[in-house]
Amino acid sequence: DAGVIQSPRHEVTEMGQEVTLRCKPISGHDYLFWYRQTMMRGLELLIYFNNNVPIDDSGMPEDRFSAKMPNASFSTLKIQPSEPRDSAVYFCASSSSRTSGLYEQYFGPGTRLTVT
Amino acid sequence: QKEVEQNSGPLSVPEGAIASLNCTYSDRGSQSFFWYRQYSGKSPELIMFIYSNGDKEDGRFTAQLNKASQYVSLLIRDSQPSDSATYLCAVEGGGSEKLVFGKGTKLTVNP
Repeated sequence: DAGVIQSPRHEVTEMGQEVTLRCKPISGHDYLFWYRQTMMRGLELLIYFNNNVPIDDSGMPEDRFSAKMPNASFSTLKIQPSEPRDSAVYFCASSSSRTSGLYEQYFGPGTRLTVT
Repeated sequence: QKEVEQNSGPLSVPEGAIASLNCTYSDRGSQSFFWYRQYSGKSPELIMFIYSNGDKEDGRFTAQLNKASQYVSLLIRDSQPSDSATYLCAVEGGGSEKLVFGKGTKLTVNP
């Protein structure tokens, strides 16, 4: 398997612009997680999905952030409008409750977002 | 607010020594505990998990769990320069499907 795929790997945008991050989970995994990592706050869970349904979005910082999972092989995290404080590395991770285990999460390579 | 605390380090050990990484957690209901390794500029990678009190060994790595003290540790024996990375402790959130991560301990193994 190719592992979790994220795009783009790097994104530089200006404040106020819309940013869309993309993720393809490992085939057959039924859980998908979006994280944000900064030096100050560490790795924070933003939202997670089970079988394409959002389960917990309590980590989404504010209404500017939204996430969707239209099918089992694709998810997006959108920031609109973006702000400099959104600069971070955004990771997508997936796991399987049926095989390797719900908590054994496999991370994608991340998207490094810089908002100027 | 469920919390996972780690000493941020940096922890520096000589090659061949034992590196000891520690983690405490606040939720007494947590049952599953994980160690992820993250090389600089890379994504976290699962290296160990432990569910029961006591020790679990996998090669040069040993995870230790003490639920009464709410304490998890990771020992790396015969440390190698390739072990230099940030180690993240993660705890299942007491019946939740989420993992709560500590901020990580940066380990440097000096040749």
